[in-house]
Amino acid sequence: SQQGEEDPQALSIQEGENATMNCSYKTSINNLQWYRQNSGRGLVHLILIRSNEREKHSGRLRVTLDTSKKSSSLLITASRAADTASYFCAVSGGSNYKLTFGKGTLLTVNP
Amino acid sequence: SAVISQKPSRDICQRGTSLTIQCQVDSQVTMMFWYRQQPGQSLTLIATANQGSEATYESGFVIDKFPISRPNLTFSTLTVSNMSPEDSSIYLCSVFGGGKETQYFGPGTRLLVL
Repeated sequence: SQQGEEDPQALSIQEGENATMNCSYKTSINNLQWYRQNSGRGLVHLILIRSNEREKHSGRLRVTLDTSKKSSSLLITASRAADTASYFCAVSGGSNYKLTFGKGTLLTVNP
Repeated sequence: SAVISQKPSRDICQRGTSLTIQCQVDSQVTMMFWYRQQPGQSLTLIATANQGSEATYESGFVIDKFPISRPNLTFSTLTVSNMSPEDSSIYLCSVFGGGKETQYFGPGTRLLVL
């Protein structure tokens, strides 16, 4: 399957520090997306990176994609308590547009 | 981005009953997706609902258990039938944004089956 797998499963840091989460997948993809979920609510789309892109930025977020290693990383700089959430990567491949999600990383930012 | 609403936001149901979840989008979309997120787990795609055709179900999900309607380009319903405690999950609908890349999600329906 194309399932993304995040690591670490849980990450606890202090406010102001950077947080890095990784995602690996198994087959070729069209794009990879990162989402945030607060306390079991709906998913908020953070950023999409296409298979022909290597790095994207959005505010305090930086995403990299290495298709040769089938992996991606999400970096959140200068973290805030409000960044506390679960972060999921999701991959899309082939022509069916389906998203396959990883298991997620629970990020806790301590004030 | 698309604005998506879901009803109900949460419900507590008795086993053996059925619940219909509504998903409303603020723009016309061809494809709508229904996902399930079991407690502490990631999201799993249940089915893809295209207007004017039967929904396409993923492995492990069947129409008798999760019937889906898609009467128009802005609305869909998912019914969870003959519920058991194992159906306790968050159910989310999603749609594509402008192109068939970014998927946007509704706020979810949190279901507890007793």
